[in-house]
Amino acid sequence: GNSVTQMEGPVTLSEEAFLTINCTYTATGYPSLFWYVQYPGEGLQLLLKATKADDKGSNKGFEATYRKETTSFHLEKGSVQVSDSAVYFCALSGGYGQNFVFGPGTRLSVLP
Amino acid sequence: DTEVTQTPKHLVMGMTNKKSLKCEQHMGHRAMYWYKQKAKKPPELMFVYSYEKLSINESVPSRFSPECPNSSLLNLHLHALQPEDSALYLCASSPARGFSETQYFGPGTRLLVL
Repeated sequence: GNSVTQMEGPVTLSEEAFLTINCTYTATGYPSLFWYVQYPGEGLQLLLKATKADDKGSNKGFEATYRKETTSFHLEKGSVQVSDSAVYFCALSGGYGQNFVFGPGTRLSVLP
Repeated sequence: DTEVTQTPKHLVMGMTNKKSLKCEQHMGHRAMYWYKQKAKKPPELMFVYSYEKLSINESVPSRFSPECPNSSLLNLHLHALQPEDSALYLCASSPARGFSETQYFGPGTRLLVL
C-alpha cells in the first residue's frame, strides 16, 4: 500500500536558519503530494502541493519539488521565523477514491 | 474561500452524555471527512461521505455516528464515549472523491471525555 516517511524531529533551529524536512513516499501510479502545517491548538492548513513529477509547490517562502526518481518531496525554507514553529505533515493522495496517507509529522521549533 | 468551520471548538462530556459535533463548508465540495487526531500523531480517517452518502467507515465503534444532512453539513453524534476517545476531531472536505483531490481541514473540536 501507499506510505509516507518523514523525519519526526523535533527539529530546533535558530531564527533565519535554513530549513529542510525530508519526506519520501511509496505509492503505485502517480500520486499528488502535499505539505500541511498544524500550528499549536489548530487544525491542518494546506501549505503547498504538487500534482505531477518535477512540479514545485511554493507558499509563504516554503518550497517542495516532486521528485519521482527519488520518490521524495522535501520541504525547504531559506530563512525560518519564530512564527513557523508548528508540526509539518507530508501527505499523498493516490488513485481514484484512495484515502490520504499522512506521514508521522515533524515538529519544528524556531528559537529567537 | 477555502474555509471549513467546526463547532464547538472545545467539548467536555461524561461517558453517559450524548453530544454532537458540527462541520460546515460552503465551497460546493461533495466529499466530506471525519478524522480523529491524538496528541503528537497524524490524523486517522474515521468516515468519508461522498455526495451525501457514507462511502467509508474505517471500523469506527458504533458510539460514533456520522450524519450528512446536506451537501454543506456534516455531523458526528457521540454517545457513551470512553476516556480514550478524548482527541482532536477534524473535519475536512474536498471537491469530490476523485483522483488526488486536495482536502481542506477545519480547525477541529477538542474533545475531553471524563
